[in-house]
Amino acid sequence: GAVVSQHPSWVICKSGTSVKIECRSLDFQATTMFWYRQFPKQSLMLMATSNEGSKATYEQGVEKDKFLINHASLTLSTLTVTSAHPEDSSFYICSARDDRGSGPQHFGDGTRLSIL
Amino acid sequence: GQNIDQPTEMTATEGAIVQINCTYQTSGFNGLFWYQQHAGEAPTFLSYNVLDGLEEKGRFSSFLSRSKGYSYLLLKELQMKDSASYLCAALDSNYQLIWGAGTKLIIKP
Repeated sequence: GAVVSQHPSWVICKSGTSVKIECRSLDFQATTMFWYRQFPKQSLMLMATSNEGSKATYEQGVEKDKFLINHASLTLSTLTVTSAHPEDSSFYICSARDDRGSGPQHFGDGTRLSIL
Repeated sequence: GQNIDQPTEMTATEGAIVQINCTYQTSGFNGLFWYQQHAGEAPTFLSYNVLDGLEEKGRFSSFLSRSKGYSYLLLKELQMKDSASYLCAALDSNYQLIWGAGTKLIIKP
């Protein structure tokens, strides 16, 4: 079945560090990928829609200069949390939609980010 | 506006049947998804309905009524491992997923 690989799974780093998270679709092409954030015991929150070859579309309230998205190929999108602070600590999840149809989004395993 | 409603929490007994309801209002409609999410993990795909009716997949079934803007997920022969959050999501006319807040299902022995 369709697989989305997200790396790294865990990140623990000091405040002020920038952290890059990768999301790869392994057996399909994905023009569109999605980045979500989820705080403990809360629902998924869409942060941005990543579009290959163009700028990402950010949801209201999400700082584009804080959360840099690069979708450089049809199988890779990256999210960089710049100058991370403790309040950025969260579970970040990417998903990708197969270009071949309107089927389900396939999720990566998520990245748990802890900023000290 | 676009909206998905589903109960916040449900409790059921091991071996029983539970139905999780979801109502949606979206700008256009291209299908409805159900995902399962265990605590601390990413969601996993359960089902997709785009036509009215019931789709059965093992112990899980999903139903859709487009005219009523309504879906349900039916879980049979409940097992303890089914304790999780169940997310309902509708695909709008722009093929964007509109997510519900999720239903936390608690299974008791």
